[in-house]
Amino acid sequence: IQLTQSPSFLSASVGDRVTITCRASQGISSYLAWYQQKPGKAPNLLIYSASTLQTGVPSRFSGSGSGTEFTLTISSLQPEDFATYYCQQLNSYPITFGQGTRLEIK
Amino acid sequence: QVQLQESGPGLVKPSQTLSLTCTVSGGSISSGSYYWSWSRQPAGKGLEWIGRISSSGSTNYNSSLMGRVAISVDKSKNQFSLNLSSVTAADTAVYYCARHRAGEGFDYWGQGTLVTVSS
Repeated sequence: IQLTQSPSFLSASVGDRVTITCRASQGISSYLAWYQQKPGKAPNLLIYSASTLQTGVPSRFSGSGSGTEFTLTISSLQPEDFATYYCQQLNSYPITFGQGTRLEIK
Repeated sequence: QVQLQESGPGLVKPSQTLSLTCTVSGGSISSGSYYWSWSRQPAGKGLEWIGRISSSGSTNYNSSLMGRVAISVDKSKNQFSLNLSSVTAADTAVYYCARHRAGEGFDYWGQGTLVTVSS
């Protein structure tokens, strides 16, 4: 199952609301996760089951969607949110990741 | 607090076998609720899932690696391992181990280990 993220690159300012989209090549129910990755670090789980916030993740992060279209929304960007974001499907093997969305400071 | 730590050679020669171990602390690898996965990330590129193993030893692998992968578990040492055979320069990447439940995200990751394939 291929996952296509859009946009691949996003420039935004602190306080902005941003949305990243992940589209699956076939239906994956709600078996989708979102990660944040900073340079030189392992990915950090933000959202699983499309909309469940991982423990300890700030509430400004939210996820929605099912089937083939999903979104990750950051309601008010903070300086520490500038990173690369990946979606991942766990509906079927092989588990696959999107190509990533790089979020940079405007 | 669960922690995962990758270990193994940082340099592997072409055509040889890459072998890495992930040691789990703060939790038992024998828990029936979890799967244990390997993923990798070439420099400046995205993430690729390699395969996973359950505590019972059942495995799933990414077919893109064309049968070169084997993952095993050693419950006595609370470890699981990756073997990737016939490596080429294209296998140079940071390799990560991680834990997850079926259908859910990877909630704990190792810090990653860089493996370079070069003669």
